[in-house]
Amino acid sequence: DAGVTQSPTHLIKTRGQQVTLRCSPISGHKSVSWYQQVLGQGPQFIFQYYEKEERGRGNFPDRFSARQFPNYSSELNVNALLLGDSALYLCASSLAPEGVGETQYFGPGTRLLVL
Amino acid sequence: AQSVSQHNHHVILSEAASLELGCNYSYGGTVNLFWYVQYPGQHLQLLLKYFSGDPLVKGIKGFEAEFIKSKFSFNLRKPSVQWSDTAEYFCAVNSNSGYALNFGKGTSLLVTP
Repeated sequence: DAGVTQSPTHLIKTRGQQVTLRCSPISGHKSVSWYQQVLGQGPQFIFQYYEKEERGRGNFPDRFSARQFPNYSSELNVNALLLGDSALYLCASSLAPEGVGETQYFGPGTRLLVL
Repeated sequence: AQSVSQHNHHVILSEAASLELGCNYSYGGTVNLFWYVQYPGQHLQLLLKYFSGDPLVKGIKGFEAEFIKSKFSFNLRKPSVQWSDTAEYFCAVNSNSGYALNFGKGTSLLVTP
């Protein structure tokens, strides 16, 4: 079975630009979460979507937005890029967002470099 | 505030040595606990998880972890490491009422032949 897929794998942008990252969850998974992993740190939660609705948001500015499509794939958008947005962006999928025992499965990530 | 602490940022061991990586958390209520591993060039993979029941959980590749509620700890152990265990290890926590995983900063393990 295919795991979580993300595109693109790498991206270089300049300050002030906008970027869109894409994620396809594992087949049958309806929940998608986004995380930002800065070099030397653990992943930090950005968003979770379930059934196309935002279920949770981490401590990130409004420049970050996301959406989930009817096929449960998701996009993360970041506007007005800053140097500090350079990071590995991870997508994780799970069957559902809540419930004891729910495990999130991670994709390979998109590495974003902002110059 | 909710937090996850991993005590060792860098660990170097020789093959066949025993491993213990510390993880402490600060959370109210019931928690779910995870250890993830990131091998060089690969994505995050689940090593093991604890939700309830036996506080000693066994995961893949010979890893195990023990949940000690009184100490708010979930330490990862392996009796004999191999060179292939070289990786970044992350402890993560969420609560039954929440969904977002809260990760520690990670421990980089290097196993030398």
